[in-house]
Amino acid sequence: GAGVSQSPSNKVTEKGKDVELRCDPISGHTALYWYRQSLGQGLEFLIYFQGNSAPDKSGLPSDRFSAERTGESVSTLTIQRTQQEDSAVYLCASSFGVRGNSPLHFGNGTRLTVT
Amino acid sequence: KQEVTQIPAALSVPEGENLVLNCSFTDSAIYNLQWFRQDPGKGLTSLLLIQSSQREQTSGRLNASLDKSSGRSTLYIAASQPGDSATYLCAVRRGGGSARQLTFGSGTQLTVLP
Repeated sequence: GAGVSQSPSNKVTEKGKDVELRCDPISGHTALYWYRQSLGQGLEFLIYFQGNSAPDKSGLPSDRFSAERTGESVSTLTIQRTQQEDSAVYLCASSFGVRGNSPLHFGNGTRLTVT
Repeated sequence: KQEVTQIPAALSVPEGENLVLNCSFTDSAIYNLQWFRQDPGKGLTSLLLIQSSQREQTSGRLNASLDKSSGRSTLYIAASQPGDSATYLCAVRRGGGSARQLTFGSGTQLTVLP
């Protein structure tokens, strides 16, 4: 596809369940980012991938959060034992190149609601 | 720690007006600055990216300026249209090291009234 694709677009889950969010970056983009946007808050950085390695995991809020990436393709963000405070929109972005001077392209996000 | 502030938080203007959105950041050691727009329920759309060595970038009716030493950027929108209504976010990428994440402001919610 032409843009970053995220699935599902909406996810409602019960507290304590695990969820998996998926991101398909733009083809050829080597860098991939996960952000979280809570109601009324700015975007919070979670993790960044260069290829399939994650040089920066500094934003993951707890050990319940993990992410993987297959090569320079799909990434999954997994949240274990979800809590109500995990409710947010999870945004994925990708960019081309390693020098950091190319713009980020975002997907439409996954809206997660933990009940 | 980098902090990014956007003022005002919300702005409402009549169609046709020129307007300026402001973004300030606390650490001037940035690699670049990017302006985005976000429509309700959607992701972010990149508008303009200014490298730290640049002073401004233009795209159509949009002009973004960067004054790195003072920690400020502005987004100028000429002849505003109702379709410009959205939340506008600025984000800075810090310089040096391997970190590539952006630090975002909280955004300015713009409403252009027909």
